[in-house]
Formats: sequence, C-alpha cells, structure tokens
Amino acid sequence: DGGITQSPKYLFRKEGQNVTLSCEQNLNHDAMYWYRQDPGQGLRLIYYSQIVNDFQKGDIAEGYSVSREKKESFPLTVTSAQKNPTAFYLCASTTTWGGTSNQPQHFGDGTRLSIL
Amino acid sequence: KQEVTQIPAALSVPEGENLVLNCSFTDSAIYNLQWFRQDPGKGLTSLLLIQSSQREQTSGRLNASLDKSSGRSTLYIAASQPGDSATYLCAVPVTSGTYKYIFGTGTRLKVLA
Repeated sequence: DGGITQSPKYLFRKEGQNVTLSCEQNLNHDAMYWYRQDPGQGLRLIYYSQIVNDFQKGDIAEGYSVSREKKESFPLTVTSAQKNPTAFYLCASTTTWGGTSNQPQHFGDGTRLSIL
Repeated sequence: KQEVTQIPAALSVPEGENLVLNCSFTDSAIYNLQWFRQDPGKGLTSLLLIQSSQREQTSGRLNASLDKSSGRSTLYIAASQPGDSATYLCAVPVTSGTYKYIFGTGTRLKVLA
C-alpha cells in the first residue's frame, strides 16, 4: 500500500545536539511538507518542497533544515539553534498534477520529539 | 492573509446525535477545502475534499458543504458513534499557487456512549 512513513515514532534530543527526522513516501508525490504541532495549536509549516532539489521556508523555519535529494525522501533536521523543539512533527505529501484544484494531502503518523 | 477558524474548540455529544462542525476562512478565493480527522498521537487522515466548484461532498455518514461567498464550510456527521471521537481539522490551500496549506486549530469531538 502507498503511504508516508515517518521514523522514529519517538525521539529524544540532548542539549546542543542535532537530530534528524525521516520522512519517506511511495505515492510518487512531487510536493512534501513538514509541520509542527503543539498542544492546542494548529499545524504550523516548517518547510515545504515542490520538486526535487528545491525547498522553501515555511512560517517557522528558524532552527530547522531540510534536504530533498530524492523525490521519495524529505528529511528534517532539528538543530541546536531550535531552543524549544519539543513538539509533534508531521510530514505530508501531495501531487502537484493538475494544479491545486484537486490535491488531497496525505500524512505520516508523526514523530514526537522531546528534550532530555 | 488567509485565516482559518474552527469553532467550537471542543464538543461533547451523546451517541446517536447528528452534529455539525464549522470551519470559517477569510479569503473566499480558495481552490478547495479539505477536512481531516486526527486521532490522539496520530497523523491526519483525509476525510473529504471539496473543490471550489462544488457545494458538497459525501462519504458514508459524513457530508461536507462549502459556501465560498460566506467563507464557511460545515462537516455534518450523522448518527454519531463513540468511534467518531477525534479532532477534526479543516485546511485550505494558500491561493498564491505554491501548494501551501493553512489549517484551522481543530474541533475536539467526544461522542459519549
């Protein structure tokens, strides 16, 4: 079955450490997204990529970095510059075929990041 | 700038009741509107997507309507069941053509047995 796989499910970060969250999709989607979700808040966009080797900052990109070397993969690195990384991180993807008129988003099951 | 609002933030209903969840948006020039369900500790599952040219979409006990002129969408759940308990979110694409989406903060639904 096609879908999005996020790993790990739980991740702990030590002070000063960078950690990388994995996101892999086999839906052949062009666009991929990283969102952060905090309790009681909606999803906030960190980074998104519409095509391989290209990505754009979202609303809260500071302290995060991404790469898009393959269509299937969009890893997110939470750097030590992100002082409040504890949150639930969600990866999503969508096709860009046909424009924005019919583009359901698909989500992974998330990674919960906590500080040790 | 597009803003998406969902009221109420939380809702409890007895099993079997029909209910309506609301989603409001400020810019009516949307391409589509999507409703999602999120179970605790899980990702989002797409329920319904309404294109801008449509008035409503149905899937089983779910019916979503869209009124662009008033900036509103509603998700109607018929004969609610305890298994419907979850957070329901709506989202619209940003109209700049960048394939970005704006999400509401969600309505947390609890259906009591």
